[in-house]
Amino acid sequence: ETGVTQSPTHLIKTRGQQVTLRCSSQSGHNTVSWYQQALGQGPQFIFQYYREEENGRGNFPPRFSGLQFPNYSSELNVNALELDDSALYLCASSLLQGGDLVAKNIQYFGAGTRLSVL
Amino acid sequence: RKEVEQDPGPFNVPEGATVAFNCTYSNSASQSFFWYRQDCRKEPKLLMSVYSSGNEDGRFTAQLNRASQYISLLIRDSKLSDSATYLCVVDTNSGYALNFGKGTSLLVTP
Repeated sequence: ETGVTQSPTHLIKTRGQQVTLRCSSQSGHNTVSWYQQALGQGPQFIFQYYREEENGRGNFPPRFSGLQFPNYSSELNVNALELDDSALYLCASSLLQGGDLVAKNIQYFGAGTRLSVL
Repeated sequence: RKEVEQDPGPFNVPEGATVAFNCTYSNSASQSFFWYRQDCRKEPKLLMSVYSSGNEDGRFTAQLNRASQYISLLIRDSKLSDSATYLCVVDTNSGYALNFGKGTSLLVTP
């Protein structure tokens, strides 16, 4: 097991609602990345958090936002949910030191939150 | 053009067979390369990193050709438990994001 935990495991929402997903990173890691995986696709990078700030962002609209806390855990918030937001949301943790990702950006994934938007 | 492209699959092979997956990437500045394995409805798990010199881990061999921007994974003596989706993963040279291929499905049959 990676030691990365996510909650909840499953979630059902309706269009227009807001959702918050949570992630606890692996012990010793300080960086959290979030990915969206639609059915039959590879994971797509949403954003990464390091030192409680967004450290990079993929091609996702502003209604996708996040937070990182002092204990390195993180939240992903999605506002104004759309049907296409239905997906598996994956959190990955890694270790960043001195501005460089250690071990060549190896990221360890949690089991994910499966979000269904009706 | 997608950043990372993989063989479409699915690959159906008998136990004991050797199977090879291929992957190409578009960002020539990429520095880190990986193969992840994903079981149905589970999270991706790191199978192996891929190094320029090629590397082997038991029955698995990964190769990287930077000039051709091509990565491969060879699985020898396939086991039933190797059945999964194999994801080719390349960093974006941004220092944070990973680009995933769509994945190639492998089914090993008795």
